[in-house]
Amino acid sequence: GQQVMQIPQYQHVQEGEDFTTYCNSSTTLSNIQWYKQRPGGHPVFLIQLVKSGEVKKQKRLTFQFGEAKKNSSLHITATQTTDVGTYFCAGSDWSGGSNYKLTFGKGTLLTVNP
Amino acid sequence: NAGVMQNPRHLVRRRGQEARLRCSPMKGHSHVYWYRQLPEEGLKFMVYLQKENIIDESGMPKERFSAEFPKEGPSILRIQQVVRGDSAAYFCASCGQGGDTQYFGPGTRLTVL
Repeated sequence: GQQVMQIPQYQHVQEGEDFTTYCNSSTTLSNIQWYKQRPGGHPVFLIQLVKSGEVKKQKRLTFQFGEAKKNSSLHITATQTTDVGTYFCAGSDWSGGSNYKLTFGKGTLLTVNP
Repeated sequence: NAGVMQNPRHLVRRRGQEARLRCSPMKGHSHVYWYRQLPEEGLKFMVYLQKENIIDESGMPKERFSAEFPKEGPSILRIQQVVRGDSAAYFCASCGQGGDTQYFGPGTRLTVL
């Protein structure tokens, strides 16, 4: 079945440093979504990427979808303590008819030292 | 998202008891997903339901677990004869149509003693 791998598993940075998490799928994806989960909280939708090579920005966050639609990245510029949490990617593959199912990566836990 | 309600937020059960987890989707949403999350793990898909229909339960254990989404009322995830390995956070998510953005509830943290 489809697998989504995410690295690194943990990342600790000093406030102001940049952060990147990478997501790789074993199959070509129809779209990829990114979620953030604060400690003790629930996943909150950040963004969805659909097109090959797509790049989207949200303030200090930059999301990228690879040309082959098998990988994606999330980059945070100049991290702040409010960025702390686990960032998950989740991909869907519509080729089998199951456009509704998301496969989540294990997430990257970001901690920020003030 | 605050629009998706789950209760209880925390549930403690002894081995062999039943656990019932409830999820009320966001207003206007008729599609519900249930996920399980173990500590430091991602979310594992369990089941996808529409009103009165189970569309995909491929992620749900064959025994002891069941889910429903009746015409009226919340979606229910039921775990019979709980074991320690069932301890986890259970999240539901809702959307307007399959494949749309999923909005997550606050989760139910189940602890089996």
